[in-house]
Amino acid sequence: GQNIDQPTEMTATEGAIVQINCTYQTSGFNGLFWYQQHAGEAPTFLSYNVLDGLEEKGRFSSFLSRSKGYSYLLLKELQMKDSASYLCAAMDSNYQLIWGAGTKLIIKP
Amino acid sequence: IAGITQAPTSQILAAGRRMTLRCTQDMRHNAMYWYRQDLGLGLRLIHYSNTAGTTGKGEVPDGYSVSRANTDDFPLTLASAVPSQTSVYFCASGQGQGDSGANVLTFGAGSRLTVL
Repeated sequence: GQNIDQPTEMTATEGAIVQINCTYQTSGFNGLFWYQQHAGEAPTFLSYNVLDGLEEKGRFSSFLSRSKGYSYLLLKELQMKDSASYLCAAMDSNYQLIWGAGTKLIIKP
Repeated sequence: IAGITQAPTSQILAAGRRMTLRCTQDMRHNAMYWYRQDLGLGLRLIHYSNTAGTTGKGEVPDGYSVSRANTDDFPLTLASAVPSQTSVYFCASGQGQGDSGANVLTFGAGSRLTVL
């Protein structure tokens, strides 16, 4: 079956760095997406990886290892506004997205 | 402002009633999707449409129907609502399959539905 695993909740301190991990099992693979979702709001796109390696975009970076079925989202210089849920989604061979349940990130002052 | 509009924002509905959630996008995206989001679960795909005039079933299609008469509109209908359909419903659009790098989804603000 197809499956996405990510931690349910994480806590970090303002100004620090946090890494949110995601492992996936899909029928075929066409890329890995990360979305941010603030409470009560819609998910918004953060990053997309289809090749192995690190993609950096400002304070946020995303890493992919296709051989390990593994990705992580790295958030640097954490700000209070980064408190949100982070959704990992893998695209299968039919170009359908398989979503994880999301990781709720709590930022403390 | 380009984006997706969903209506209603929230609704309380008696079991057995019919309900249509509306979704309109102005980005000329080919593909549109309906998801439900429940606590502790990932987004689950209900129905999708890769282009106007075509629709397909997602992971949890039972009890729901959709239509795609034109590019912009993608309504979701609950023919006879049941309490298990209490959820937050998100409509999304994207350029569609075949070019995964471009298939970034834009989501509507969501419709919170409570079925009693």
